[in-house]
Amino acid sequence: GQNIDQPTEMTATEGAIVQINCTYQTSGFNGLFWYQQHAGEAPTFLSYNVLDGLEEKGRFSSFLSRSKGYSYLLLKELQMKDSASYLCAVRGVGSGYALNFGKGTSLLVTP
Amino acid sequence: DTAVSQTPKYLVTQMGNDKSIKCEQNLGHDTMYWYKQDSKKFLKIMFSYNNKELIINETVPNRFSPKSPDKAHLNLHINSLELGDSAVYFCASSTGSNQPQHFGDGTRLSIL
Repeated sequence: GQNIDQPTEMTATEGAIVQINCTYQTSGFNGLFWYQQHAGEAPTFLSYNVLDGLEEKGRFSSFLSRSKGYSYLLLKELQMKDSASYLCAVRGVGSGYALNFGKGTSLLVTP
Repeated sequence: DTAVSQTPKYLVTQMGNDKSIKCEQNLGHDTMYWYKQDSKKFLKIMFSYNNKELIINETVPNRFSPKSPDKAHLNLHINSLELGDSAVYFCASSTGSNQPQHFGDGTRLSIL
């Protein structure tokens, strides 16, 4: 099975940087994904890590350490529209590519 | 053009009824999924289909049955609906293990 943990809520100020952590325990690992979900909408893909290190994509970066079972999503130059839920998801081995999601981190960006 | 589309968007029905949710993707993906998101926003995999074969079934009650007439469609049939089935159901699709899944807009199912 898989156990994925991330903080329930975070608050940050517009223009600041925020780091959302995710830890996981899994019997097999085949990649880690970050998704953004605004209230009432579908999850949308942000980033993917399968090897250790940092992946950068504009204002968003994601880091993975497989030995530590740890990832983080870094959001820079926060904007009000970044207020959303951020979902960490792990793809296991032999799971037919299905994702196991954490419970999500609700991020509130304040002026 | 909508990549993953599911219908209906809202479904309100009574306990004990049978209902279906349809999903279609025009991305040419070979794997499709159904996820359930409960009131606490926890998104959980229900089924995945690859080339018309069921790959996983995560302890979902057999009242739920996925049906795939072709690789662009994966419909979800639910029999004898129960109050606990109230949730948002998301369809998704992908190709390859390192490719992201694309989600539909969700179907909000409410059981009265």
